[in-house]
Amino acid sequence: AQSVSQHNHHVILSEAASLELGCNYSYGGTVNLFWYVQYPGQHLQLLLKYFSGDPLVKGIKGFEAEFIKSKFSFNLRKPSVQWSDTAEYFCAVVRFSGNTPLVFGKGTRLSVIA
Amino acid sequence: DTEVTQTPKHLVMGMTNKKSLKCEQHMGHRAMYWYKQKAKKPPELMFVYSYEKLSINESVPSRFSPECPNSSLLNLHLHALQPEDSALYLCASSQDLTGGAYGYTFGSGTRLTVV
Repeated sequence: AQSVSQHNHHVILSEAASLELGCNYSYGGTVNLFWYVQYPGQHLQLLLKYFSGDPLVKGIKGFEAEFIKSKFSFNLRKPSVQWSDTAEYFCAVVRFSGNTPLVFGKGTRLSVIA
Repeated sequence: DTEVTQTPKHLVMGMTNKKSLKCEQHMGHRAMYWYKQKAKKPPELMFVYSYEKLSINESVPSRFSPECPNSSLLNLHLHALQPEDSALYLCASSQDLTGGAYGYTFGSGTRLTVV
């Protein structure tokens, strides 16, 4: 079965620190990859997505992610976090073809402290 | 219109009540989904409708009853819920049948509290 692993359960950073959140998936075929963010008490918002092409994708709010096919990874990065980035971050994967819906990782809680 | 609209945004219901959640999209998407999300947990898939037909039921208890009256509407009928069913219920849609080609569009959710 397809699975998505997010290695960090809770990350605590100071403002202006750099961020990298790990995401690995288990499926070996063609996949589409997503990062969603959920601010406290709010709904899921799409940060960025990778379908094909340049493996380095840029999203909203200064986030980017790099798809490394050989490592089955899609890590999320931001050079300098802000207090307002405090949120839950979910990686999600879906097979390009097939009948398996979107699968979410367990999420990483990011707390940014001043 | 590039949105998925969910109503109501908040719902408080007793364990003997019957209520319905509504989801609407006018993007011509072919698949629609219900997810349940508990606090600080990832969304969990409940149901998938493809071309208005139920294609996936993730062993959801029968007190949750989905309905897809047409290609734009998805309902979730609730009856005899338990307090542990309190959660954020998310609706999503996708242009293709799994979201693999273009991804999902999520609604803002209905925050349900069962008392």
